[in-house]
Amino acid sequence: SYDLTQPPSVSVSPGQTAKITCSGDALPKQFAYWYQQKPGQAPVVVIYKDSERPSGIPERFSGSSSGTTITLTISGVQAEDEADYYCQSTDSSDSSNWVFGGGTKLTVL
Amino acid sequence: QLQLQESGPGLVKPSETLSLTCTVSGGSTSSSFYYWGWIRQPPGKGLEYIGNVNYIGTTYYNPSLKSRVTIFVDTSKNQFSLKLTSVTAADTAVYYCARTVWGRSVRYFDYWGPGTVVTVSS
Repeated sequence: SYDLTQPPSVSVSPGQTAKITCSGDALPKQFAYWYQQKPGQAPVVVIYKDSERPSGIPERFSGSSSGTTITLTISGVQAEDEADYYCQSTDSSDSSNWVFGGGTKLTVL
Repeated sequence: QLQLQESGPGLVKPSETLSLTCTVSGGSTSSSFYYWGWIRQPPGKGLEYIGNVNYIGTTYYNPSLKSRVTIFVDTSKNQFSLKLTSVTAADTAVYYCARTVWGRSVRYFDYWGPGTVVTVSS
């Protein structure tokens, strides 16, 4: 089975930059996406196609890709950014198989 | 504004079939530009992809659930539904429906329902 690996947790102080990584063998060949999930709420897509930001998502959210790792960067972190973040992509050998990373809890200190 | 709403029993007995429906408003399940998907999240755990369906009933499923899952669309009611057979306690989760952006090499969920809790217990 295809897996995406994320760190379980990341902590930053307000105003600092948070970086959340996601690793997977197929990431050089498949687009990846990032979702933000706050407690008790449905996920919201914050980055699509590795680095595109949907309308309504603050500019402090950005995405990048390098080899088998993608990175979600949140610049000037605010208290409201505290949430779980999930990466998502597809298996390059079976594009019908979608996979989520295990999730990263972002704590704003 | 597109809205999705899950509905169905909140409690299902072990070995029985879980059935959920997602009603779409502000958009159409007849659109050829999108698929419609289901995702679940067990208590305290991460997201798990279940599957997708499009307006003509073409489906794609998570291989680990494929033998127990059926997803179908009813465009006349602007709804799509999930059936999961032979459930166990491991199927206890929040179940989300979502609209799927499905383009060339692009696959992601852009609108989600609020989710519905399904507990498997006797």
